[in-house]
Amino acid sequence: DTAVSQTPKYLVTQMGNDKSIKCEQNLGHDTMYWYKQDSKKFLKIMFSYNNKELIINETVPNRFSPKSPDKAHLNLHINSLELGDSAVYFCASSLGQGKDGYTFGSGTRLTVV
Amino acid sequence: AQKITQTQPGMFVQEKEAVTLDCTYDTSDPSYGLFWYKQPSSGEMIFLIYQGSYDQQNATEGRYSLNFQKARKSANLVISASQLGDSAMYFCAMRELGSWGKLQFGAGTQVVVTP
Repeated sequence: DTAVSQTPKYLVTQMGNDKSIKCEQNLGHDTMYWYKQDSKKFLKIMFSYNNKELIINETVPNRFSPKSPDKAHLNLHINSLELGDSAVYFCASSLGQGKDGYTFGSGTRLTVV
Repeated sequence: AQKITQTQPGMFVQEKEAVTLDCTYDTSDPSYGLFWYKQPSSGEMIFLIYQGSYDQQNATEGRYSLNFQKARKSANLVISASQLGDSAMYFCAMRELGSWGKLQFGAGTQVVVTP
């Protein structure tokens, strides 16, 4: 029943590890996004895919690699995790670029120790 | 440059009172949309209200209304009859037509509703 689901909800890992966060939406939306919310609660877009094609790639370290196997899934893989990567990562989806709102996932709290 | 400005980092409001959260934006795109989201302490992002740049009337959704002043580039959120459950972080966001759907967020306003 969940519209945009992310897994895991919490992720605690050591520096230097590689980890992935998965996102799936069952809304039939064309576009999916990854946002990062830092410790000051500021939200910033990282990536966006439209029908499996990368359309937004903000200034993000290349240790972060998104992958979209189909338009319902957008995963985020992070290599060589650093302390500064600790944040909440939100997946979202939207239908087109019109007035349709976004639907956010519940977020993944990543803690790098 | 910051495109969305929320000047109130935090506010206290008494239960049953109305509260206005300020939001100003900066864009040269004639077509854009403005959103407000609520983030309670549980962390999820909850969509509250949307205003399109060409909408003639101010948006309303239940106890939420948006005071849209296009010439001043402001989109203030008004919450009427505050409830304890309204305590949360509130974010203003903008999506420009030519931005591939990217939402740009303000820094947020923390609202605490007191009995």
